[in-house]
Amino acid sequence: GAGVSQSPRYKVAKRGQDVALRCDPISGHVSLFWYQQALGQGPEFLTYFQNEAQLDKSGLPSDRFFAERPEGSVSTLKIQRTQQEDSAVYLCASSLEVNVGRNQPQHFGDGTRLSIL
Amino acid sequence: AQKVTQAQTEISVVEKEDVTLDCVYETRDTTYYLFWYKQPPSGELVFLIRRNSFDEQNEISGRYSWNFQKSTSSFNFTITASQVVDSAVYFCALSEDSNYQLIWGAGTKLIIKP
Repeated sequence: GAGVSQSPRYKVAKRGQDVALRCDPISGHVSLFWYQQALGQGPEFLTYFQNEAQLDKSGLPSDRFFAERPEGSVSTLKIQRTQQEDSAVYLCASSLEVNVGRNQPQHFGDGTRLSIL
Repeated sequence: AQKVTQAQTEISVVEKEDVTLDCVYETRDTTYYLFWYKQPPSGELVFLIRRNSFDEQNEISGRYSWNFQKSTSSFNFTITASQVVDSAVYFCALSEDSNYQLIWGAGTKLIIKP
């Protein structure tokens, strides 16, 4: 498809399990962002990639959170030893290269709704 | 410090009414970008508009219009002749030229009743 694709759409896991969330950005989009959105709130920045380089991971809430984009396209957000407070919607967004026509719009996927029991 | 305020938590109107969603921002940068996104119940954030700080011209796109006023640091969004399909949460966001990160408002939930 032409948009950002995220999978799975829904994920239920038991506390302590590891989870992996996938994001397939729009073709040709160099920049990729991960956000966490709690119910009734705006998205909170987690991390940013430019191609395969993770340029900013300041928003990752703990060392249990890890993201990668090894080939500069698909990205995976991994959460180890999940906790109940990790329950949220995880959004992925991509955009054209930041340095060309600065601050281009970010285009979002449908998100993965993660529930930790 | 940068900040985006959407004071209206929830707005409910009857279909065909006009409705304005407020957005007030704070930034020290002279170059910045403002965005509006729509988030319907399905969850996807849909990009609506991007405006840079040097372009104060108001924009109209169909039933949507945006009023950017630097003097009051506001970037308000108006929907004319609202429709039930406009029901969603609307987010205003700010991006400073010195930083690619988006600073989000808390969102305004818009309910259009038939």
